[in-house]
Amino acid sequence: EAQVTQNPRYLITVTGKKLTVTCSQNMNHEYMSWYRQDPGLGLRQIYYSMNVEVTDKGDVPEGYKVSRKEKRNFPLILESPSPNQTSLYFCASSLQPGGANVLTFGAGSRLTVL
Amino acid sequence: GNSVTQMEGPVTLSEEAFLTINCTYTATGYPSLFWYVQYPGEGLQLLLKATKADDKGSNKGFEATYRKETTSFHLEKGSVQVSDSAVYFCALNRDTDKLIFGTGTRLQVFP
Repeated sequence: EAQVTQNPRYLITVTGKKLTVTCSQNMNHEYMSWYRQDPGLGLRQIYYSMNVEVTDKGDVPEGYKVSRKEKRNFPLILESPSPNQTSLYFCASSLQPGGANVLTFGAGSRLTVL
Repeated sequence: GNSVTQMEGPVTLSEEAFLTINCTYTATGYPSLFWYVQYPGEGLQLLLKATKADDKGSNKGFEATYRKETTSFHLEKGSVQVSDSAVYFCALNRDTDKLIFGTGTRLQVFP
């Protein structure tokens, strides 16, 4: 089944404890992206990647890192999480960026930082 | 810059009622327009899309028409069901790397 898989789905952590949210897609998509969803703000893009070893900042990149060493994987790294990073995170991918390309989303990762 | 504005929710309807969720956009040129739906506890999934003016996207009884003259892409359904309860996101995409989302509209349908 074509899908985007995120782990963990739920995580509670404490301020400053590094964590990684993994994302993997099995559709050979070039483009991958991370979003966070917060009430009243919709979805905001954190980082995106056009291809292997090519990443760039989205609208809200502060406090996050990403890497794209393989085409299928695009992990989101929080080096020193803070409470304002408590949110629902989504990884998404598409064959190409832009135009009529459709994003396929993961099921989401709910992160709570205490 | 490019942006999407959609009506605030929640929208509360009885089963079999008519649904309209308004969406307007600001963009240069001719963006592609989308409606994504998020069911409880799930990620977003494409509901329908339209890629040029006057195109009508449709799926699962939902429809939206790309109106260039009014810069709108309103979502409609003639008879909603309880299973349609979800959050609906309007979005646009120019020839860029980023899909721009509206803030989402929660729909609640009661029996």
